[in-house]
Amino acid sequence: SAVISQKPSRDICQRGTSLTIQCQVDSQVTMMFWYRQQPGQSLTLIATANQGSEATYESGFVIDKFPISRPNLTFSTLTVSNMSPEDSSIYLCSVVKGYTEAFFGQGTRLTVV
Amino acid sequence: QKEVEQNSGPLSVPEGAIASLNCTYSDRGSQSFFWYRQYSGKSPELIMFIYSNGDKEDGRFTAQLNKASQYVSLLIRDSQPSDSATYLCAVNEDSGTYKYIFGTGTRLKVLA
Repeated sequence: SAVISQKPSRDICQRGTSLTIQCQVDSQVTMMFWYRQQPGQSLTLIATANQGSEATYESGFVIDKFPISRPNLTFSTLTVSNMSPEDSSIYLCSVVKGYTEAFFGQGTRLTVV
Repeated sequence: QKEVEQNSGPLSVPEGAIASLNCTYSDRGSQSFFWYRQYSGKSPELIMFIYSNGDKEDGRFTAQLNKASQYVSLLIRDSQPSDSATYLCAVNEDSGTYKYIFGTGTRLKVLA
């Protein structure tokens, strides 16, 4: 498995502001992803964080709204920009280590008011 | 549109019984299948993965895969109240990208 530290664990933010979420892994991993889980729903993939290059975004998600960095093999950040109440959700960092098994950070519960 | 479908539940079973959770998927090329347990307010925790047709057992958990029927299931033997959670089925996209498609989850309630 992998030890994943995700910060902050929760935050309440004003609309129009931005929040940066950090994900730190205890060892090098193959892949890092960012997911969103809205209340009562399943996980939706936002993007694949690519080491040293631009992230690969899924349909419906754009870099201007969700800029992602991954400067090395163990660290990534997700920024939620110009937030609105619709961005209230749980954001999860996920890593793949080994063959294909994915592990999740503790999540960031974001409330936009 | 690749999909993973699960019954949302809740599935209620008495303590000590076998809980059976089911999942179907649409992408015939999928090769890897996973079950995650998610307690309320927590992140998903990997409990089982299976790659080959048949059964895979780990303690009280058994994952079953039938690729011909595009069906994967999770059996929990001797269910305990602590097993009460939402169980997410995830399927690896057949694209070499390590991306997962998640089902909506089945909520399991084990009644003491």
